[in-house]
Amino acid sequence: SQQGEEDPQALSIQEGENATMNCSYKTSINNLQWYRQNSGRGLVHLILIRSNEREKHSGRLRVTLDTSKKSSSLLITASRAADTASYFCAMFNYGQNFVFGPGTRLSVLP
Amino acid sequence: DAGVTQSPTHLIKTRGQQVTLRCSPISGHKSVSWYQQVLGQGPQFIFQYYEKEERGRGNFPDRFSARQFPNYSSELNVNALLLGDSALYLCASSLDLRDYGYTFGSGTRLTVV
Repeated sequence: SQQGEEDPQALSIQEGENATMNCSYKTSINNLQWYRQNSGRGLVHLILIRSNEREKHSGRLRVTLDTSKKSSSLLITASRAADTASYFCAMFNYGQNFVFGPGTRLSVLP
Repeated sequence: DAGVTQSPTHLIKTRGQQVTLRCSPISGHKSVSWYQQVLGQGPQFIFQYYEKEERGRGNFPDRFSARQFPNYSSELNVNALLLGDSALYLCASSLDLRDYGYTFGSGTRLTVV
């Protein structure tokens, strides 16, 4: 069973717009990571935020973490058609490895 | 450097059959993890192996088993296949049991008919 929830389930935006995806989880975590998946193939690591961090940036990506609310958000700025993919948050705990959310399907229209 | 290699890419099996999926980790990585991803859902953790020992197990029935070889490659076996076992099976390798640095392969698409 999934221990994380993501919203929205699907998001459609125009190129150049920003995309925001949210993730909530139920248990304590060591860290939270975001992954991208193109067309049901392998997962590509995007960014990691540790439980004692509140915000991290990597290029056009910004991730926030609120451990009191057990939630995280991923912001992709100035989106491109190549950003079209499914995005997953993954909560890491030793022993359970990664617990993935159900994902957000992002479509960036040219 | 080669990434994580999984074989075969696609596989079709009949209910009740057995299947073996293979994974070769990145050179130098000693841990392999297996995930099942049903269509439309996020991946679910099946097993993690490190130095040929099982170090983590998800909530899957005993029909699922795995092993890791001295060269750190791994096999996932599924017996008595059910239609519900149809999924993308992903392998991830990491240096050890640290909480970062996992690299995923492209997966094996298993269809059970």
